[in-house]
Amino acid sequence: AQSVTQPDIHITVSEGASLELRCNYSYGATPYLFWYVQSPGQGLQLLLKYFSGDTLVQGIKGFEAEFKRSQSSFNLRKPSVHWSDAAEYFCAVGTSSGTYKYIFGTGTRLKVLA
Amino acid sequence: DGGITQSPKYLFRKEGQNVTLSCEQNLNHDAMYWYRQDPGQGLRLIYYSQIVNDFQKGDIAEGYSVSREKKESFPLTVTSAQKNPTAFYLCASSGRQGAGTGELFFGEGSRLTVL
Repeated sequence: AQSVTQPDIHITVSEGASLELRCNYSYGATPYLFWYVQSPGQGLQLLLKYFSGDTLVQGIKGFEAEFKRSQSSFNLRKPSVHWSDAAEYFCAVGTSSGTYKYIFGTGTRLKVLA
Repeated sequence: DGGITQSPKYLFRKEGQNVTLSCEQNLNHDAMYWYRQDPGQGLRLIYYSQIVNDFQKGDIAEGYSVSREKKESFPLTVTSAQKNPTAFYLCASSGRQGAGTGELFFGEGSRLTVL
């Protein structure tokens, strides 16, 4: 079955520290991968996406993610976290089966310490 | 500015009442979606529509209904049959770039509370 796993429910980092949010997926075909960010009470905003090509993708707000097919992972990274990065982050897989469905992970809530 | 508008942002309902959440987009997107978000459960698909006058059930469609009479609009009705309707509801759209390959654009959400 298709699934997306974000193993960390909560992560706390100090401002200026590096960040890595984990995402593992289970999908039989070529995945279309996304990371979204959500501030409390708001909608989701796309950070970055991977469709094909270079496995290291750059996104907005200084985020990047690396697709590793052998590990079925698409981890999100940022070299130096800012207090404004505190939010919830969702990893998602887009299916190419013709059903226009997206599968979301359960999210990782990031807290940033001043 | 192009985007997705959801209304109302907050809605209170008494048990046994139907309520309708509005979703309008001016992005000229073919596909539209409704998701339900509960704490710790991520986003769960309620209904989606690929073209006007056509829609499909998602993973948790029971107790919900939708219509797609115009390309721009995809309203969601939460019926009295929905046993636990208190949640945050998100509407999204994507361009016709192939199944699941285009990014989703989200509205700001509607929070429904049943009293």
